[in-house]
Amino acid sequence: KAGVTQTPRYLIKTRGQQVTLSCSPISGHRSVSWYQQTPGQGLQFLFEYFSETQRNKGNFPGRFSGRQFSNSRSEMNVSTLELGDSALYLCASSLYGYTFGSGTRLTVV
Amino acid sequence: KNEVEQSPQNLTAQEGEFITINCSYSVGISALHWLQQHPGGGIVSLFMLSSGKKKHGRLIATINIQEKHSSLHITASHPRDSAVYICAVFSGNTPLVFGKGTRLSVIA
Repeated sequence: KAGVTQTPRYLIKTRGQQVTLSCSPISGHRSVSWYQQTPGQGLQFLFEYFSETQRNKGNFPGRFSGRQFSNSRSEMNVSTLELGDSALYLCASSLYGYTFGSGTRLTVV
Repeated sequence: KNEVEQSPQNLTAQEGEFITINCSYSVGISALHWLQQHPGGGIVSLFMLSSGKKKHGRLIATINIQEKHSSLHITASHPRDSAVYICAVFSGNTPLVFGKGTRLSVIA
């Protein structure tokens, strides 16, 4: 069965731009969560969606947003990019446990 | 707020050695994940535990709910085990809380 698919794998953006990342969960999983990983802070929770509703939100500025579609696919958007947003962004889908995608590595220059 | 502490932060071992990585957390949980992250970023969930012990190949994970502590053991370590191992906990509908990770290097 297909795993969690994240696109794109790599992305380079300029400060001030915005970016949209995509996550397709495992078929049948209705929960999708997003995480940011940086060398300094490690893995941090961004937000979680379940059946198109945001269920939890981490401590990130409003520039970080997300949504989930009726087919459970999820997108996250970061507006007005800052250098500090450079990170690996991971999503996970869950039913009883978590399955992670390979991540999107975002570099902001 | 649940705090998750892992030890050691870094670990270097000779091939064949028995390895233990520890994880402690501060409040009650529903379950604990052990995750493996290789260079390149992708994370693989090795185990999900809510009690007792699980074994998969050379990997063994244990959890003591009363002591709020879990261990990940690797028997007969191999260079391909070199990775970052991360402990993550969750309670009901709360999000995952992660440890900082243990960077393991196994030298041939």
